[in-house]
Amino acid sequence: KAGVTQTPRYLIKTRGQQVTLSCSPISGHRSVSWYQQTPGQGLQFLFEYFSETQRNKGNFPGRFSGRQFSNSRSEMNVSTLELGDSALYLCASSLRASGSTDTQYFGPGTRLTVL
Amino acid sequence: SQQGEEDPQALSIQEGENATMNCSYKTSINNLQWYRQNSGRGLVHLILIRSNEREKHSGRLRVTLDTSKKSSSLLITASRAADTASYFCATDSGGYQKVTFGTGTKLQVIP
Repeated sequence: KAGVTQTPRYLIKTRGQQVTLSCSPISGHRSVSWYQQTPGQGLQFLFEYFSETQRNKGNFPGRFSGRQFSNSRSEMNVSTLELGDSALYLCASSLRASGSTDTQYFGPGTRLTVL
Repeated sequence: SQQGEEDPQALSIQEGENATMNCSYKTSINNLQWYRQNSGRGLVHLILIRSNEREKHSGRLRVTLDTSKKSSSLLITASRAADTASYFCATDSGGYQKVTFGTGTKLQVIP
């Protein structure tokens, strides 16, 4: 079974631009979560989508948004990029029925650099 | 914000030795998971322990959970150079998916 894939793997943008990252979950997984990892803040939860609905959101500004499609693929968008948005963005998928305990499987991440 | 704090922040051992890292968390949990991350790459799930379990084994890994102390430990026995990575604990407090990661322990295994 193919793992979680993320595209692109590396991205360089300038301040003020916007960016869209993509995540394809493991086949059959309906939950997709996004995380931001930086040296200073560690791994921070961004949001989770399940069956095209955002179920949970972390403490990030509205510039960070996401969506999930009917095939469970997910995208996250960051508008008006700031230098501090430079990070490794990780996507994780799981079977995750409502309220259940489940293992998350992570993709390799997208390394975003904002200049 | 970080739910888990890991200790030590960094650990350097010789190949063949055991490595122990600890995770403390703040709120009650449904389960706790340990992940490994090789430099700048995605996380690999190692083991999940539920709140009603006290100990779990997987190969060279042994995880304990003490919910009264809100702490967990990960023991890697007979370490190998390939175990060099950062290790994170992640807590799941139930409800919808909002797993909170600890600060991580950076393990270096010297051949």
